[in-house]
Amino acid sequence: ETGVTQSPTHLIKTRGQQVTLRCSSQSGHNTVSWYQQALGQGPQFIFQYYREEENGRGNFPPRFSGLQFPNYSSELNVNALELDDSALYLCASSLDNRDTQYFGPGTRLTVL
Amino acid sequence: AQRVTQPEKLLSVFKGAPVELKCNYSYSGSPELFWYVQYSRQRLQLLLRHISRESIKGFTADLNKGETSFHLKKPFAQEEDSAMYYCALSGQAGTALIFGKGTTLSVSS
Repeated sequence: ETGVTQSPTHLIKTRGQQVTLRCSSQSGHNTVSWYQQALGQGPQFIFQYYREEENGRGNFPPRFSGLQFPNYSSELNVNALELDDSALYLCASSLDNRDTQYFGPGTRLTVL
Repeated sequence: AQRVTQPEKLLSVFKGAPVELKCNYSYSGSPELFWYVQYSRQRLQLLLRHISRESIKGFTADLNKGETSFHLKKPFAQEEDSAMYYCALSGQAGTALIFGKGTTLSVSS
């Protein structure tokens, strides 16, 4: 059984650019949640996708958007990057939207 | 407001000593409570879920609804327990996990 994978591992962007982060869910999981973890903080919920539909959103602006594909993999897109977007972005998958979430290793985004 | 508070940023104990990592929460309703752990250079992983009432790696946690706490305990700490520990909750809808800021546990010999 393959666990949650994320790509890329690290990414450096400049302010104003756009970025796409990718997540492959664990085999059989239909729910993907995205979190932002700033340095020294716990993860903060961005949004969740269940069977390709958005199923909850945290307190993040619309320039944070997402997508889930028929194979349940997912993308997180961030437009108009700001310096404060520098963080570790975590993806978690679960069997359904009420089950234990299993985390990927994260993508470290640095915005200069 | 929904919130998880972990009052200790760092907890240092000696091997064999008891450990208690504190977690308090604020939630209007009946949340599910979790402890996640992150060992050095590893991903965040589930340690305990309160509804399963399991003991994992010698750790236990009891949900105290009166005190809105979910403290993590282990009677005898081991060096391999050194890690970052996060307390988290989710609502009955089971969507977002709300995390505390985490406590670093350092166990030395």
